[in-house]
Amino acid sequence: SQQGEEDPQALSIQEGENATMNCSYKTSINNLQWYRQNSGRGLVHLILIRSNEREKHSGRLRVTLDTSKKSSSLLITASRAADTASYFCATDVNTGNQFYFGTGTSLTVIP
Amino acid sequence: NAGVMQNPRHLVRRRGQEARLRCSPMKGHSHVYWYRQLPEEGLKFMVYLQKENIIDESGMPKERFSAEFPKEGPSILRIQQVVRGDSAAYFCASSPGVPEAFFGQGTRLTVV
Repeated sequence: SQQGEEDPQALSIQEGENATMNCSYKTSINNLQWYRQNSGRGLVHLILIRSNEREKHSGRLRVTLDTSKKSSSLLITASRAADTASYFCATDVNTGNQFYFGTGTSLTVIP
Repeated sequence: NAGVMQNPRHLVRRRGQEARLRCSPMKGHSHVYWYRQLPEEGLKFMVYLQKENIIDESGMPKERFSAEFPKEGPSILRIQQVVRGDSAAYFCASSPGVPEAFFGQGTRLTVV
């Protein structure tokens, strides 16, 4: 299965701290995306990184991609209570085909 | 530009009934994906459609499930003769073409 795996499964930090979560996948990809899902809600697209990129920033988010290790990391700096959510990585292998989702990291930011 | 619209948000069906889930993609998007999410789990791909075509249905159960995306109107995910195990959140995503997909709020199906 191409499905990614996020690590850790759950993470609890204090407000203001940085949160790092990782995603590993199995086969070569075109793109990797990170999504956030608040409890009981839909997914919100956070950031996309292409296979030829190594790092991308968006506000307090920093994403890295290491294609040799088939892994990506999402760093959220200066976390806020509102960042409490589940975070998923998704990869696409063939253009136009399905996105493969990991099982998610549940982040809790304690005020 | 409205986001991806799914309805209903919540659907309760008795065992054996049919469930119809609707997804209206974002304007200009011709690619639709359906995913299922069980409690405390990630999203599992079900089907990928373009207008009037099923491109990839490798994640669809062989029986009782079907999907369509007609030339006009929303995409429909249809589950016939629902069973308790069909209870889940069903998410639709649309895309103008990879790589980005935008998700709806989901339909939570409960089979009683």
